Amino acid sequence: KQEVTQIPAALSVPEGENLVLNCSFTDSAIYNLQWFRQDPGKGLTSLLLIQSSQREQTSGRLNASLDKSSGRSTLYIAASQPGDSATYLCAGGEGGYQKVTFGTGTKLQVIP
Amino acid sequence: SQTIHQWPATLVQPVGSPLSLECTVEGTSNPNLYWYRQAAGRGLQLLFYSVGIGQISSEVPQNLSASRPQDRQFILSSKKLLLSDSGFYLCAWSKGRLLGGYTFGSGTRLTVV
Repeated sequence: KQEVTQIPAALSVPEGENLVLNCSFTDSAIYNLQWFRQDPGKGLTSLLLIQSSQREQTSGRLNASLDKSSGRSTLYIAASQPGDSATYLCAGGEGGYQKVTFGTGTKLQVIP
Repeated sequence: SQTIHQWPATLVQPVGSPLSLECTVEGTSNPNLYWYRQAAGRGLQLLFYSVGIGQISSEVPQNLSASRPQDRQFILSSKKLLLSDSGFYLCAWSKGRLLGGYTFGSGTRLTVV
């Protein structure tokens, strides 16, 4: 059974700082890895999706990497802004079962 | 383009009352459909998923049930709500084999009183 862990649970940084969020998973046969953002009381917004055959994906100031051998994914946010404040969740896809397992998230606060 | 609709946005129901939450997807056919619950301060728990009409997989035993009466419609139900059913319910869809990843609806905040 896939288990997904995110550390730290919370992170506070000053505006403009570059930061890295970590995601670890136990099953290296992961099908894909998806990063989401959740604002308080809202649904989840997909940020980046990395297929198992890929190593990274980029969108604007965001870059996500996937290392299946070490069971890790990272989300890099460049030049953080207060609007980046949210909870970030990673989710590992299990193709055979056609479902994903979510981490518990990292709550990010970017201080102006 | 594909869109997912989930309603209602908020719901307050008394203990013992029935529940029906609806989720529909537009712009695609034969999607995989999922119901998740997010309790306060906790992670996302997969409740049910469906890879086709009438095909429902239940992840955890509970007071809820799910149905898929049409290809792009997924319904979460309960005959009698419990206080512990309170939470944030999210519907999601994906293409078969998780191609393109998940797309979530906006969620329903359920409070059982």
